[in-house]
This record gives sequence, C-alpha cells and structure tokens, in this order.
Amino acid sequence: EVQVVESGGGLVQPGGSLRLACAASGFTFRTSWMHWVRQAPGEGLEWVANISPGGDGEYYVDSVKGRFTISRDNAKNSVSLQMNSLRTEDTGVYYCFTDAGYWGQGTLVTVSP
Amino acid sequence: QTVVTQEPSLTVSPGGTVTLTCASSTGAVTSGHWPKWFQQKPGQPPRALIYTATNKHAWTPARFSGSLLGGKAALTLSGVQPEDEAEYYCLLHYDTAWVFGGGTKLTVL
Repeated sequence: EVQVVESGGGLVQPGGSLRLACAASGFTFRTSWMHWVRQAPGEGLEWVANISPGGDGEYYVDSVKGRFTISRDNAKNSVSLQMNSLRTEDTGVYYCFTDAGYWGQGTLVTVSP
Repeated sequence: QTVVTQEPSLTVSPGGTVTLTCASSTGAVTSGHWPKWFQQKPGQPPRALIYTATNKHAWTPARFSGSLLGGKAALTLSGVQPEDEAEYYCLLHYDTAWVFGGGTKLTVL
C-alpha cells in the first residue's frame, strides 16, 4: 500500500522557521521526483518546490527562493522542506506529492503574529 | 510571470460531456509542458488524474481523458457522474518550475 505522510506543520510567528517532512512508502521512492505544493485557505494550489530523484536538482517558485530549501534522504524514503524567514502569506496546507501521482493528506502551516 | 488559465467554472448535466481547458500565457501548450490534471473535492487533498497530457493513472476512471486541443491542454469528462463535482487543476512544466492553473469549479446539475 502506498503511503505519503506529511508532518511538521504548526503555528509560527513571521520571521520564524519550520521544517516539514514527508515520509513515503509503497513505491520506488529513489526514482521519483518529489514536489511540495501549498494551498492557502480558500485558494487554489500553488507549486512550491521539487527535487530530482538523486537530489542533485532543486527548483523553487520565485516567492520562496532563498528562504525555503528542499532536500531528500533516499535511504529513509523521505523528503523535507526547510522554511525560513516565514511570512504571513506562506500560510496554508502543504502537500507532498510524487510524479507517480501519490499525494499526502497535507500539513497546516500558520504564520501569524 | 507565467500564467496558466483555466475556466473559473463550468456546469454540466449528469450523463453529459464537458471539456476543461488549460492555456499558457507563453503560447501553445505542448507535450513538453508535461501537462497534469488533478481533481480536488472539499476537505480532501488533490487526486492525480492525468499525466503527460494524455496518460491515466491506474485509478483514473475511464470517463476521464486528457488531450492537447487547439494549443491548450484539455480534460474531457464523458458520461459525467454526480461524484465528479469538484475543483479541477492543471499543472504545467516550464524549464525549471511548475505552474498550476487557477482551477475550474465543475458543477454537476
């Protein structure tokens, strides 16, 4: 059975940091591109970042460049999103998904004073 | 800034056929944009339906099909069911980034 499970969300003040994690199982993780996507309350989906299967390629939406870092550990079938200098507009549900089509349930990040 | 445009809303009758489209501000959408389609129902995460414009995932119902049509990516639902009422998003690849469309709210009425 395929499982994709995000964790690490929570409430943080503007300027703070959070580290999201995504644990995957049931598919060939080490050959999969992995993505982070977010959804602000009541809004549409926004692609945030992705990472190549070997971890040597990382790509970001312009609004998070220099603040967010995506990484992966193929030995642990996990991908992370380190989020620094958080802003109120970063608030939303963060989802992890793979090019194979598997999505997690999401983790809520709230950036508020 | 690249913009991906979808119809904000569409209405279809049960059993009918509807086509949702996905346009790019940079020009024609091609297979090189690796178009993907997702369905999202309220309170749920998105569900992948189509990848690389026309390919279905193992769980994608047969009534969903993807294509490239008139310079756009398209998602056609044939024999629409009440449970198809949802928000639909396309996703396109641009060099080093991906961009979602704004979504189409499909009402089955």
